[in-house]
Amino acid sequence: GAGVSQSPSNKVTEKGKDVELRCDPISGHTALYWYRQRLGQGLEFLIYFQGNSAPDKSGLPSDRFSAERTGESVSTLTIQRTQQEDSAVYLCASSLSGTNPDTQYFGPGTRLTVL
Amino acid sequence: ILNVEQSPQSLHVQEGDSTNFTCSFPSSNFYALHWYRWETAKSPEALFVMTLNGDEKKKGRISATLNTKEGYSYLYIKGSQPEDSATYLCAFFLSNFNKFYFGSGTKLNVKP
Repeated sequence: GAGVSQSPSNKVTEKGKDVELRCDPISGHTALYWYRQRLGQGLEFLIYFQGNSAPDKSGLPSDRFSAERTGESVSTLTIQRTQQEDSAVYLCASSLSGTNPDTQYFGPGTRLTVL
Repeated sequence: ILNVEQSPQSLHVQEGDSTNFTCSFPSSNFYALHWYRWETAKSPEALFVMTLNGDEKKKGRISATLNTKEGYSYLYIKGSQPEDSATYLCAFFLSNFNKFYFGSGTKLNVKP
């Protein structure tokens, strides 16, 4: 079956603009994670969705960042008023169940460049 | 802040060399440790899921061990090949929180 997909694959934007990143998880996966990797750094947890539970937003770096998920399907990560430090690869991952630490399946990522 | 540390940060070896690197994590409230391989321009792919102290997992030339009491896991690659070049990530799953804490990775470069 299809893996995790993300769009766009690349996004170049100007400082101050809003951007929306999309993730389509594997069908049937209840858990969905967003991460980012800034240049030279490790994977940084942003937000976690598990079924219909309230999302764990503890990794969101500022109130400019928000994310939504429709049921157990598509998720969008929105960054408002982008800053240059938001430039990173944004990765989405899904797993069968988040409460059991199942293998995460990653999407190809969205490379965001803020000029 | 929970620290998951990987060492070394980068490694350059010749084809045929065997190598290993380390992932260190808090030993309390351990639930699981995952290893992922992340090749350039691709998505991270799972290598191993490890849950029990003393676990040893193997996939081809790659193997991993786990010591939950002292808080470390080793990844070994026997007879490295250029296609092994990638960043190897470990991710620690804490039983109290439903999320993974990733290390910053070990970047392996295998020269032909």
